Amino acid sequence: AQTVTQSQPEMSVQEAETVTLSCTYDTSESDYYLFWYKQPPSRQMILVIRQEAYKQQNATENRFSVNFQKAAKSFSLKISDSQLGDAAMYFCAYRRRGNNDMRFGAGTRLTVKP
Amino acid sequence: DARVTQTPRHKVTEMGQEVTMRCQPILGHNTVFWYRQTMMQGLELLAYFRNRAPLDDSGMPKDRFSAEMPDATLATLKIQPSEPRDSAVYFCASGWWTGRNTEAFFGQGTRLTVV
Repeated sequence: AQTVTQSQPEMSVQEAETVTLSCTYDTSESDYYLFWYKQPPSRQMILVIRQEAYKQQNATENRFSVNFQKAAKSFSLKISDSQLGDAAMYFCAYRRRGNNDMRFGAGTRLTVKP
Repeated sequence: DARVTQTPRHKVTEMGQEVTMRCQPILGHNTVFWYRQTMMQGLELLAYFRNRAPLDDSGMPKDRFSAEMPDATLATLKIQPSEPRDSAVYFCASGWWTGRNTEAFFGQGTRLTVV
């Protein structure tokens, strides 16, 4: 079974600083997808970034980037130049290729201090 | 601005009552998911449809839950009878299956409280 672990229930960062959220996963598959979703107080689940396991290059979306370590089964999210609007719950998720069952971690609540 | 629309946003009901949650997927998407979010279990997949056909509902308690897609613009999740343990936020998500991946776009959820 695939499981996703986010070991940091809460994190805080000063505005304009950088923060890294951790995620590890367990799988025996070689072809899969990893995601980071953001859930602000509005409850909307917003896709932040996606990584395909067969790509060695780490995905980047503006201020958001990942450190994908396939051998270590680690998928951390780095937020640079943190903004107040980044405050939210962040969920790491895994999906095996060809399977629509996306497995989510328990989430990390990020607080951004002005 | 295409988005997944869920109604109602909030629902409070008494135990034993029927609850119906609705979802309008993004136009053109062929895959629809229902997720449930609770503090204890996090986000769990309940069921999903492709081209309106149910593909997997193994995550759903079948004795009281049912999911349907009467047409391509409407997905419903029904609980009958509802119980306090069903209290959760229910998310609908839609996406386009490419043969490799489905990018899921979430609605804002329905917060259900069963008293």
